[in-house]
Amino acid sequence: QQQVKQSPQSLIVQKGGISIINCAYENTAFDYFPWYQQFPGKGPALLIAIRPDVSEKKEGRFTISFNKSAKQFSLHIMDSQPGDSATYFCAAWRGKLIFGQGTELSVKP
Amino acid sequence: KAGVTQTPRYLIKTRGQQVTLSCSPISGHRSVSWYQQTPGQGLQFLFEYFSETQRNKGNFPGRFSGRQFSNSRSEMNVSTLELGDSALYLCASSFLGVASYEQYFGPGTRLTVT
Repeated sequence: QQQVKQSPQSLIVQKGGISIINCAYENTAFDYFPWYQQFPGKGPALLIAIRPDVSEKKEGRFTISFNKSAKQFSLHIMDSQPGDSATYFCAAWRGKLIFGQGTELSVKP
Repeated sequence: KAGVTQTPRYLIKTRGQQVTLSCSPISGHRSVSWYQQTPGQGLQFLFEYFSETQRNKGNFPGRFSGRQFSNSRSEMNVSTLELGDSALYLCASSFLGVASYEQYFGPGTRLTVT
């Protein structure tokens, strides 16, 4: 039972471009929607998170857009850099983290 | 401040055996959660412990169990190992409170079952 669906599975972006990853959820009772970044050999690390009563949150080059009526949210990475190459997971939180399937991002120099 | 530590980092076991994985949370963190990561199923929640009590549990069979000690350190145990149990097992710690979605993950234990 997958409650959070993430797309695309993989993404290739040129340096300086915008990376966009999308997620959709089913359960309306989630309290937070965080994004995690994972590098090979490491555990996931929290990148940015948003509450469902906020439509957008920006931290540096990272922005979450949240559409409550559509039950969708997305991560935008502006001015993408090769160092951003990693796997990104969206998640939904209500007592536990429900993760999307992940997006492998590759930023080409 | 030291991060979440997990031991061992790599483990190879045979079908039918049992295994115990260990996790030391960040100092001051009282909640410890465990996740299984596989290429097919992604990241899946196993269980969460707080004050030595299991507060939340995912949809895994009873072969998967855990416990937490008074110093917040946690262990998870998998009995009667199956090939499908091969995965990266991640431990995460957090403060109890509103911001508990903010989990700090360890590097994981890579379990291979042959």
